[in-house]
Amino acid sequence: DVVLTQTPPTLSATIGQSVSISCRSSQSLLHSNGNTYLHWLLQRPGQSPQLLIYLVSRLESGVPNRFSGSGSGTDFTLKISGVEAEDLGVYYCVQGTHAPLTFGSGTKLEIK
Amino acid sequence: EVQLVESGGSLVQPGGSLKLSCVASGFTFSNYWMDWVRQTPGKSLEWIGEINTDGSKTNYAPSIKDRFTISRDNAKSTLYLQMSNVKSDDTAIYYCNRLFAYWGQGTLVTVSS
Repeated sequence: DVVLTQTPPTLSATIGQSVSISCRSSQSLLHSNGNTYLHWLLQRPGQSPQLLIYLVSRLESGVPNRFSGSGSGTDFTLKISGVEAEDLGVYYCVQGTHAPLTFGSGTKLEIK
Repeated sequence: EVQLVESGGSLVQPGGSLKLSCVASGFTFSNYWMDWVRQTPGKSLEWIGEINTDGSKTNYAPSIKDRFTISRDNAKSTLYLQMSNVKSDDTAIYYCNRLFAYWGQGTLVTVSS
């Protein structure tokens, strides 16, 4: 199975600060069809996960543009440009290139 | 508005069986692959499996293969997860989702004697 390693496991930020979360894969996530099936989810406390970014860098509808994704191959990054209070929760990367689909272990964002 | 509502979670004894349901609304259910994902207490997410649009193809995570079965009834816009020979490690919140973009609220399954 593909292992996704997220760092850091915990992140503490002040309002307005920009932060980045890394997701590294044990295998390239470039599919033979040319797509890279790496997505980012946010799970707020007590809620179901929600999709933020799909296919590495595409912003899901309704998601604020302070969220952005980048990367290729095995290294991917989620950036939040100007953290807001509502951004607290656990961020997960997930890959769908290789079966079975796998998730990263999560990065917990705390607001100082 | 897209909605996914899971039900069927409960306390079940080890070795027992349980069937979860996920009722979809707000979109043409028969047009989409659907997935089940679970989350163990305090831990990360685990993909269980997926089913194609007409129910003729399913894929499963190796950890649950041969114990769980995913099916669907497009006439009822409902997705199912049949769980058998459950173990304590299957204790989790079970979510259905549509391509990670839409998620239900989850249903709790507790495996304990």
